[in-house]
Amino acid sequence: DGGITQSPKYLFRKEGQNVTLSCEQNLNHDAMYWYRQDPGQGLRLIYYSQIVNDFQKGDIAEGYSVSREKKESFPLTVTSAQKNPTAFYLCASAGGGNTEAFFGQGTRLTVV
Amino acid sequence: AQSVAQPEDQVNVAEGNPLTVKCTYSVSGNPYLFWYVQYPNRGLQFLLKYITGDNLVKGSYGFEAEFNKSQTSFHLKKPSALVSDSALYFCAVRDGGFKTIFGAGTRLFVKA
Repeated sequence: DGGITQSPKYLFRKEGQNVTLSCEQNLNHDAMYWYRQDPGQGLRLIYYSQIVNDFQKGDIAEGYSVSREKKESFPLTVTSAQKNPTAFYLCASAGGGNTEAFFGQGTRLTVV
Repeated sequence: AQSVAQPEDQVNVAEGNPLTVKCTYSVSGNPYLFWYVQYPNRGLQFLLKYITGDNLVKGSYGFEAEFNKSQTSFHLKKPSALVSDSALYFCAVRDGGFKTIFGAGTRLFVKA
């Protein structure tokens, strides 16, 4: 079954800790994305990657880091520098420039 | 810089009536435009896209969208709403590359 998988579904983090969210796709897509969703604010782009070993900052990259060592994988690390990390995080992938994105089911991160 | 505006936080419509969810965009060059739907605590599902050609685009579940270049709009429409259409709808724009920006979302309520 082709698709995009995010794990875990729920994640709890203590203040001051870094945490890594996983995103894997088997669609052979070049592009991968991370978005943050907060109530009433829609989806805001954190980072995106067009190719292995390359990625670009989105609109709200501060306090986050990513890597793209494999085409299939695009993990997101929420660092302790992110002041308000509690949110719903969505990963997506897409093929060429005019193809639609496929989304994972999301990870809900809560700081406790 | 590209941007997307969804001017209505919420749209209410009676079942069987036509619905419209509005979207305007700003992007340099020719836009790729998308509509997605989100159900609670889930990822986004693709509905339809405009790349080029016919200004009226047909998509999944009876939805369609009208591209208007002079008004920079891409409104989502359905001739007859169903209660099951109630969800959160997102408009998105991609420039000629890979960066994809989403609107804030519009919540659609369809009353029986």
